Amino acid sequence: RKEVEQDPGPFNVPEGATVAFNCTYSNSASQSFFWYRQDCRKEPKLLMSVYSSGNEDGRFTAQLNRASQYISLLIRDSKLSDSATYLCVVNQGGGKLIFGQGTTLQVKP
Amino acid sequence: GAVVSQHPSRVICKSGTSVKIECRSLDFQATTMFWYRQFPKQSLMLMATSNEGSKATYEQGVEKDKFLINHASLTLSTLTVTSAHPEDSSFYICSAMERGVYNEQFFGPGTRLTVL
Repeated sequence: RKEVEQDPGPFNVPEGATVAFNCTYSNSASQSFFWYRQDCRKEPKLLMSVYSSGNEDGRFTAQLNRASQYISLLIRDSKLSDSATYLCVVNQGGGKLIFGQGTTLQVKP
Repeated sequence: GAVVSQHPSRVICKSGTSVKIECRSLDFQATTMFWYRQFPKQSLMLMATSNEGSKATYEQGVEKDKFLINHASLTLSTLTVTSAHPEDSSFYICSAMERGVYNEQFFGPGTRLTVL
């Protein structure tokens, strides 16, 4: 079983749509959680951290459920520029990041 | 924000040669740097953790004699792929954690290695 699992997609949505990505992790001792964005042939960039209380940054909302070991990302009012691969990332301590395989989003006009 | 550079950005070499990749933190001191590898359509896989002044810690399945890591200063870590073969062709990315700041890593732009 992979340590961090995501649906690879691709998710093809029209502009303005709301799209949700899910992620599960296997190590219950994981300490912190993130969503990163990776554009084609580029390095990953931090999108947002994820907290149990849920957190929002503009059109992006992230949620963590520690009991279910489940992480989600919601994107509202999708823009063309949101097209990218979204990586669910878990910090197992000491900065050791475990990446999911990523979910590809394609927003179409 | 914190900036991490990598050099070279792209390298093509013949099978059997060794390739050195540099990772530098430009405006902060990084006590810990990480090296990742990403094959096409796959996610980043942690190869090793590099601590300044000490030996790197390698992940299971990563050959330490093939992927030599040196972290001689607080701003520079190097990864040398020794006797590279076509199966080593990949996107190599480093990241750095600032001294005293443990909740964020800053990623370099990556090095694309192609071994012919």
